[in-house]
Amino acid sequence: DAGVIQSPRHEVTEMGQEVTLRCKPISGHNSLFWYRQTMMRGLELLIYFNNNVPIDDSGMPEDRFSAKMPNASFSTLKIQPSEPRDSAVYFCASRRLASSTGELFFGEGSRLTVL
Amino acid sequence: QQQVKQSPQSLIVQKGGISIINCAYENTAFDYFPWYQQFPGKGPALLIAIRPDVSEKKEGRFTISFNKSAKQFSLHIMDSQPGDSATYFCAALLGGKLIFGQGTELSVKP
Repeated sequence: DAGVIQSPRHEVTEMGQEVTLRCKPISGHNSLFWYRQTMMRGLELLIYFNNNVPIDDSGMPEDRFSAKMPNASFSTLKIQPSEPRDSAVYFCASRRLASSTGELFFGEGSRLTVL
Repeated sequence: QQQVKQSPQSLIVQKGGISIINCAYENTAFDYFPWYQQFPGKGPALLIAIRPDVSEKKEGRFTISFNKSAKQFSLHIMDSQPGDSATYFCAALLGGKLIFGQGTELSVKP
């Protein structure tokens, strides 16, 4: 089975530009998470969806960040306008809500550099 | 309340030695405590996990020790190998949210 697929793997952009990160969860998984990883703050949960519905977006840093999940097989995280402090690795992860272990399956991440 | 505190930030161990990473939490509503392993350029992957009604879980060279009264849990890696060099994250699950510790960068020297 294919794992969680993220694109792009690397993105370099200039401050003020719009950035869109994409995620395809594992088929059959109905819970999707967006995390941000930096050296200073570790792995921060930004937002998560259950059955395509946003459940908790309290980790979204500010209004410049938005996330959508239009269907069970696709999600986007958008930053507009981007700033240098947004530079990080963004991970998407998915799991089955009914899973007794709660195991999260992570993609390989999208490394964002904002100049 | 939702934080998980992890230590140390980095750890260097000789091959064959024991690696120990510690985590502490405050919220007693957490109900699942996994450890994730991350190699450079990859996403974290589940290594081993424990529920709070169990005091210890062992899988091969990896053991979780859980102290519910102290609200602490730890990962022990026995006979550490260079291939174990990675970043390790403890985590805690609360109502569908997985909260991660800051991570420990482990280096096992040959």
